Amino acid sequence: NAGVTQTPKFRVLKTGQSMTLLCAQDMNHEYMYWYRQDPGMGLRLIHYSVGEGTTAKGEVPDGYNVSRLKKQNFLLGLESAAPSQTSVYFCASSYRGQTQYFGPGTRLLVL
Amino acid sequence: KNQVEQSPQSLIILEGKNCTLQCNYTVSPFSNLRWYKQDTGRGPVSLTIMTFSENTKSNGRYTATLDADTKQSSLHITASQLSDSASYICVVSAGKAAGNKLTFGGGTRVLVKP
Repeated sequence: NAGVTQTPKFRVLKTGQSMTLLCAQDMNHEYMYWYRQDPGMGLRLIHYSVGEGTTAKGEVPDGYNVSRLKKQNFLLGLESAAPSQTSVYFCASSYRGQTQYFGPGTRLLVL
Repeated sequence: KNQVEQSPQSLIILEGKNCTLQCNYTVSPFSNLRWYKQDTGRGPVSLTIMTFSENTKSNGRYTATLDADTKQSSLHITASQLSDSASYICVVSAGKAAGNKLTFGGGTRVLVKP
């Protein structure tokens, strides 16, 4: 079991560029989540999904889009990156509302 | 607004010593409280979970307590080891739904020195 994996591990973008972060889980979990973690702050929920083909907004969704075309994958897109989106992004999955299992994170720097 | 406050923000302890981390929350309605351990450069990993009716839960050298009346929780680390150096995050759930029902604390960064 690989658990939750994230691609890429690290990325540098210029303002205005776009990119997609990929999250994959092999635990057959229904629920998947995208968070961002900034220094001195708790993790904040960006978007989440309760199943294939469904997504919903979290606490800080602006500037991000997501897609869940397959149960095991959850994609996070930045259409036009801004320096304020410099952060560490964590994906997580859970069996419905139970304990969340987190990926190793993607460190994003927007210049 | 739901909030989770953790203290201290950071602490340094000597290997073999004990320490206690604090978590105060104002989350309603309360469903459960979890403590996560996050190693540097890694994602958080669940240590314990407690519901309203539980007031203590152990996981090896980690013992969490919950006082639902005062809305406080603590995480006690016994006989600390170098591998305990990490951030510890208190997370309170306001329900079992998948939405933005989890409130994360800012974490306590623990450094264990030999």
